[in-house]
Amino acid sequence: EAQVTQNPRYLITVTGKKLTVTCSQNMNHEYMSWYRQDPGLGLRQIYYSMNVEVTDKGDVPEGYKVSRKEKRNFPLILESPSPNQTSLYFCASYGRLTTGELFFGEGSRLTVL
Amino acid sequence: GESVGLHLPTLSVQEGDNSIINCAYSNSASDYFIWYKQESGKGPQFIIDIRSNMDKRQGQRVTVLLNKTVKHLSLQIAATQPGDSAVYFCAENELTGGGNKLTFGTGTQLKVEL
Repeated sequence: EAQVTQNPRYLITVTGKKLTVTCSQNMNHEYMSWYRQDPGLGLRQIYYSMNVEVTDKGDVPEGYKVSRKEKRNFPLILESPSPNQTSLYFCASYGRLTTGELFFGEGSRLTVL
Repeated sequence: GESVGLHLPTLSVQEGDNSIINCAYSNSASDYFIWYKQESGKGPQFIIDIRSNMDKRQGQRVTVLLNKTVKHLSLQIAATQPGDSAVYFCAENELTGGGNKLTFGTGTQLKVEL
């Protein structure tokens, strides 16, 4: 089954404690991306990757890091989380880049206290 | 389940009726327009897309209409079912030299009443 898998699905942490949200896709897609979803703001892109070892900033990259060492994995790293990073996070891979069709993971609800 | 947005516009329809969800877009240079469905506690799921040089496209029980004159996009769902209850949002995709620029709307909550 084609899917994008994120972990953890839910996480409560404290300010400053480094965390990583993992993302893995089994569709051999080259393009992957991270979004955050906040009430009234829709989905906003954090970082994206066009291929292994190729990453670039999206619209809201501050406070986040990513890496793309393997094609299937695209982890999101919060080195020093802050309360304004409390959000619902989605990883996605591109089924068709030209149309903008994305396959999304189930989401990771992060709360930073 | 997960709440994807507070104070989202809400459309309530009776089961079996047709639903029309609207979206205004801003970028006249967008090449594709896409509709996504997001059920509570899940990630967005692709429904249908339409290229900018088209004004209508039909899928299974869904039709997307594009009016470039007024920058308006709509999603019509025929014979709405309880399983259609979700947040629906549009996205516009502009192809650029370096890849693409995908911008999402904030969504409309569709509630199907039995």
